[in-house]
Amino acid sequence: TQLLEQSPQFLSIQEGENLTVYCNSSSVFSSLQWYRQEPGEGPVLLVTVVTGGEVKKLKRLTFQFGDARKDSSLHITAAQPGDTGLYLCAGFDMDSSYKLIFGSGTRLLVRP
Amino acid sequence: NAGVTQTPKFQVLKTGQSMTLQCAQDMNHEYMSWYRQDPGMGLRLIHYSVGAGITDQGEVPNGYNVSRSTTEDFPLRLLSAAPSQTSVYFCASSYSWGLNNEQYFGPGTRLTVT
Repeated sequence: TQLLEQSPQFLSIQEGENLTVYCNSSSVFSSLQWYRQEPGEGPVLLVTVVTGGEVKKLKRLTFQFGDARKDSSLHITAAQPGDTGLYLCAGFDMDSSYKLIFGSGTRLLVRP
Repeated sequence: NAGVTQTPKFQVLKTGQSMTLQCAQDMNHEYMSWYRQDPGMGLRLIHYSVGAGITDQGEVPNGYNVSRSTTEDFPLRLLSAAPSQTSVYFCASSYSWGLNNEQYFGPGTRLTVT
């Protein structure tokens, strides 16, 4: 089974700062997804990246898929308290496209 | 549309008891799955189904059973609860599986086994 490692595990920053969250694997993924989860709720999809080197933007969030399709990053510009939450990357297992594998998550706290 | 619904929202069990966590979706999705979420471990796949009558094991299937008699429902059964099964359980569904398919998650069931 392929593994996804996220770093950092926890990040506490001041409103207005920039940050980057990483999702790494030693295996190739056909695509990677990023989800955000708020307390007491299920994860919600933010974006899917498919092509190596692909960059997608969602307002102040920028997602990048590594050229070799083994890693991805999420960059937030000028973080706001509303960005607080658990960020999870996920990818479908290349050995079984039926299994969606999640990273352990990065918990982000943006202080006003 | 209600999306993905889960019941109950909270449950406390004693060791050895059995129970069923309910999951239903009204989006006519073929793919449904169950995850458990523990602190620092993200979500781990328990069981999944690619259609009515078809189920298979995920990463951590021991101690859990599933069935899929209809497209809409995908219940998760705990056969004999153990403290190690204390967790938050999420059900998810998607139109299909694999590349580009968005998973829609339910609100979760918080289970404590004493």
